[in-house]
Amino acid sequence: GAGVSQSPSNKVTEKGKDVELRCDPISGHTALYWYRQSLGQGLEFLIYFQGNSAPDKSGLPSDRFSAERTGGSVSTLTIQRTQQEDSAVYLCASSFMDRGQVGYTFGSGTRLTVV
Amino acid sequence: AQSVAQPEDQVNVAEGNPLTVKCTYSVSGNPYLFWYVQYPNRGLQFLLKYITGDNLVKGSYGFEAEFNKSQTSFHLKKPSALVSDSALYFCAVRADTGRRALTFGSGTRLQVQP
Repeated sequence: GAGVSQSPSNKVTEKGKDVELRCDPISGHTALYWYRQSLGQGLEFLIYFQGNSAPDKSGLPSDRFSAERTGGSVSTLTIQRTQQEDSAVYLCASSFMDRGQVGYTFGSGTRLTVV
Repeated sequence: AQSVAQPEDQVNVAEGNPLTVKCTYSVSGNPYLFWYVQYPNRGLQFLLKYITGDNLVKGSYGFEAEFNKSQTSFHLKKPSALVSDSALYFCAVRADTGRRALTFGSGTRLQVQP
């Protein structure tokens, strides 16, 4: 598609439930990133995938968070046993790098509210 | 490790006046620098980037930024602010090699008064 697509745009869940957030990157972009933005805050890096390499999981805040990227395209971020502090906007981005040029495109995000 | 500092939580400017949003960075190697803007309940929109070449970069909506290697800065500027420029602005950096994930500053809220 023309942009990075994220679904759902909003998700309200009860504390303790599991949630899955989806990201569909721009076709041909080899890297995919997940960030978290708490209310009024900056962007916190969570995880990124680059081609067939092992993902960089260094930003995941706990083992309740995991992500996968199937077929080098769509990615799913899973949060198990959600807590109220998980409430945030989760942003996905994809990037290209070609002949010295690089660009990152962000999706509109999924607003997660844990009640 | 890499980091970005945006020292001002908020910048207030009158419409028609020039604006500057400050950004300094720390990175090992050559920096790739980016500015993004975020409107309420929206994702991040790309404004401009510095990869290599001219230190003065021109971007969308009349914004520009100057890469200053000695001061490790990449301040965002616009000659004449519009009320519609009011938004949250983020500076981001990564090194030219290694980890590709961007590191973001904490953001600066720009308020342009009519």
